[in-house]
Amino acid sequence: GAGVSQSPSNKVTEKGKDVELRCDPISGHTALYWYRQRLGQGLEFLIYFQGNSAPDKSGLPSDRFSAERTGESVSTLTIQRTQQEDSAVYLCASSPGTYTDTQYFGPGTRLTVL
Amino acid sequence: QKEVEQNSGPLSVPEGAIASLNCTYSDRGSQSFFWYRQYSGKSPELIMSIYSNGDKEDGRFTAQLNKASQYVSLLIRDSQPSDSATYLCAVDSGGGADGLTFGKGTHLIIQP
Repeated sequence: GAGVSQSPSNKVTEKGKDVELRCDPISGHTALYWYRQRLGQGLEFLIYFQGNSAPDKSGLPSDRFSAERTGESVSTLTIQRTQQEDSAVYLCASSPGTYTDTQYFGPGTRLTVL
Repeated sequence: QKEVEQNSGPLSVPEGAIASLNCTYSDRGSQSFFWYRQYSGKSPELIMSIYSNGDKEDGRFTAQLNKASQYVSLLIRDSQPSDSATYLCAVDSGGGADGLTFGKGTHLIIQP
């Protein structure tokens, strides 16, 4: 079956612009996660959705970041007024539902802020 | 602050030998433990998951968990050049709401 997909695969933007990143989870997966990976660094957890509900948004780096999810499908991560430190690969993962479930990662969106 | 520590390496192992990767974690409440492999420029892919103390074997891979010592390891037997990658240790403290806490990864090089 189809895996997690993300779009765009690459995004180059100018400082101050808004960007929207999209994630399509595996069909039937109720849990969805966003992570950020800066060059040469580990993965940094941003936000988790169970269905369309995000119980805790404290992992988002600043109030310029927001995320939403429609039902148990597509999620979008929006970064407003992008800064150079936002440059990273943004990874989305989904899992069937429980915390013990394996998370399956998408290919990521590489964001470059000039 | 939950932490997962790994030696960044690079860890260089001859082809055919056993590669041993180690990870420690800070949260005693952690319940689920994962090893992901990440090739350069690619997204992480799951290698092993382990939830209870002891060893878990899958082909050439063995995961070992010791909750008392807060220690997880991954052994790769008969190492192949294709095993060269960064191996990420990830820990879930339960509930899912905090996502996985990842270590920074160990860069493994298998020398032909």
